[in-house]
Amino acid sequence: AQSVAQPEDQVNVAEGNPLTVKCTYSVSGNPYLFWYVQYPNRGLQFLLKYITGDNLVKGSYGFEAEFNKSQTSFHLKKPSALVSDSALYFCAVRDSTNAGKSTFGDGTTLTVKP
Amino acid sequence: NAGVTQTPKFQVLKTGQSMTLQCAQDMNHEYMSWYRQDPGMGLRLIHYSVGAGITDQGEVPNGYNVSRSTTEDFPLRLLSAAPSQTSVYFCASSYGQGRVNTEAFFGQGTRLTVV
Repeated sequence: AQSVAQPEDQVNVAEGNPLTVKCTYSVSGNPYLFWYVQYPNRGLQFLLKYITGDNLVKGSYGFEAEFNKSQTSFHLKKPSALVSDSALYFCAVRDSTNAGKSTFGDGTTLTVKP
Repeated sequence: NAGVTQTPKFQVLKTGQSMTLQCAQDMNHEYMSWYRQDPGMGLRLIHYSVGAGITDQGEVPNGYNVSRSTTEDFPLRLLSAAPSQTSVYFCASSYGQGRVNTEAFFGQGTRLTVV
């Protein structure tokens, strides 16, 4: 069975500081990994993904994530946080052997304070 | 393109009533899924489909039925609503296996309350 863990319910950072939102996963086959962001009363929006290739992937709004196969992690990062980055962030995984099924983490609320 | 369209946006049901949540996408995506979002529990997969005529159960399928007669539509049916089904429901779609651009597109959600 595939699973995703986001160990932190809440991450607080000051504006201008770097941020990290953690994600670890478990799949049987090769992982397809995704980060999504959700603003209040909205659907989820895609940020970035790892399918294959470079372990460091860059996405929307200055976000990036590093795929680490040995640690089965896919942490989301941004060098300098903005107040407007405050939102709910979800990590998701698909297993290459059953790519129709996506599993999401419980979400991490990011709060960026001025 | 409209993307993924869910209707209705809000719904109140009485216990025991049935209803269908509609989901349509205009991107010719093979994969479609239904999730429910509850506080502190993230998104939980209810049912998913990898193509017209093919559906499968997710983590929390009990009390819900789906069908996929066309590529575009993936309705979710609540057979006999229960208060435990009070939640926000999201439909999502994406391209299928073998495509690099496999990220999901989400609808705006349906907020369902069962009293």
